[in-house]
Amino acid sequence: DSGVTQTPKHLITATGQRVTLRCSPRSGDLSVYWYQQSLDQGLQFLIHYYNGEERAKGNILERFSAQQFPDLHSELNLSSLELGDSALYFCASSRLGGGDNSPLHFGNGTRLTVT
Amino acid sequence: QQPVQSPQAVILREGEDAVINCSSSKALYSVHWYRQKHGEAPVFLMILLKGGEQKGHEKISASFNEKKQQSSLYLTASQLSYSGTYFCGTARSARQLTFGSGTQLTVLP
Repeated sequence: DSGVTQTPKHLITATGQRVTLRCSPRSGDLSVYWYQQSLDQGLQFLIHYYNGEERAKGNILERFSAQQFPDLHSELNLSSLELGDSALYFCASSRLGGGDNSPLHFGNGTRLTVT
Repeated sequence: QQPVQSPQAVILREGEDAVINCSSSKALYSVHWYRQKHGEAPVFLMILLKGGEQKGHEKISASFNEKKQQSSLYLTASQLSYSGTYFCGTARSARQLTFGSGTQLTVLP
């Protein structure tokens, strides 16, 4: 168990809808990362938050947004969903700013299916 | 920019060795290695910081050639439990970790 909690585990919704994915980082971790993994694909970096502030943005669509709250949990909002948004969405946390000597600890992911 | 991993897939017998490579066209701050088993979350293996440092984790070790912006993961005397997809993650700063497309490793008995 990595200590990173993601909810819900599975999400099935229709095209055009909006969903919110939630992530609670490990105790003491200040950084939260979001990654998208399509079927048998690699991990696509979406966004990184550190202590409530956005630190880096990857190939995140304008229909997607995220935030990190004062209690350090994070939410990823996906709107106007399309079939191609179906994927496994991972949240990861690290103690520091990440990219240095702080390992990323991944949650078990939220599997989103858009029908 | 996404690092390039090679090979894309490896099949070997238990007890054999394997090397997975990761390269970047940009100067790197650090390289991370993770393993993901099917249907599970990626799990951290090790981090290498610039300086040509080599680290080890049981029978898995890695090196980082800062001048060439390349890292290699060495798996010796492979075990069945080593099967999975290996990802390298590269960081050009302390803000963003970008992963390669992965190397699928299958260890057969």
